[in-house]
Amino acid sequence: DTAVSQTPKYLVTQMGNDKSIKCEQNLGHDTMYWYKQDSKKFLKIMFSYNNKELIINETVPNRFSPKSPDKAHLNLHINSLELGDSAVYFCASSQGQGSQPQHFGDGTRLSIL
Amino acid sequence: GEDVEQSLFLSVREGDSSVINCTYTDSSSTYLYWYKQEPGAGLQLLTYIFSNMDMKQDQRLTVLLNKKDKHLSLRIADTQTGDSAIYFCAEVSSSASKIIFGSGTRLSIRP
Repeated sequence: DTAVSQTPKYLVTQMGNDKSIKCEQNLGHDTMYWYKQDSKKFLKIMFSYNNKELIINETVPNRFSPKSPDKAHLNLHINSLELGDSAVYFCASSQGQGSQPQHFGDGTRLSIL
Repeated sequence: GEDVEQSLFLSVREGDSSVINCTYTDSSSTYLYWYKQEPGAGLQLLTYIFSNMDMKQDQRLTVLLNKKDKHLSLRIADTQTGDSAIYFCAEVSSSASKIIFGSGTRLSIRP
């Protein structure tokens, strides 16, 4: 009964390709997030959606495009992948924004060759 | 701006207490969190404290908050090998729209 699930767990691809990561939560939460964790384990928020509406859009290249078909799903599409995109991407969800505790998925490890 | 700082590494002997420290900048933070990340996994919420509290205890975990110094600590009593992980301190931003994470403290346990 995984609460926040991401697919795939690992993604290895070549520079210049386009790829998507999917996230689903079964907690009934209304807010979902994407974070990027670099090799030094620093965690930075990229996007958040509340009830399918974009709330936070940090300084992220427009090659990254989130899509939320419903409040239980938040997918991340990345165009023209670059070496610097190599990282672990975490999806999270919460009930309400900001101050509410967030529940994290296990991450998608993206490696660019 | 908003910033959360932690030391990167801590090594303790099994059975001793671990104290992980954190400083933050936003004095209007309402909630402060501690998350744990085990290898290959996502972040797991360990505990949190409201800004109107000084201390919170939950089994082996004790959180201390000094609002004047903007200092938060997590004490783990009787540290076990299963406590090896990265521990993230986090504060709610003043706009309450997002959580700001520290850089994480890697806790290692020696026998």
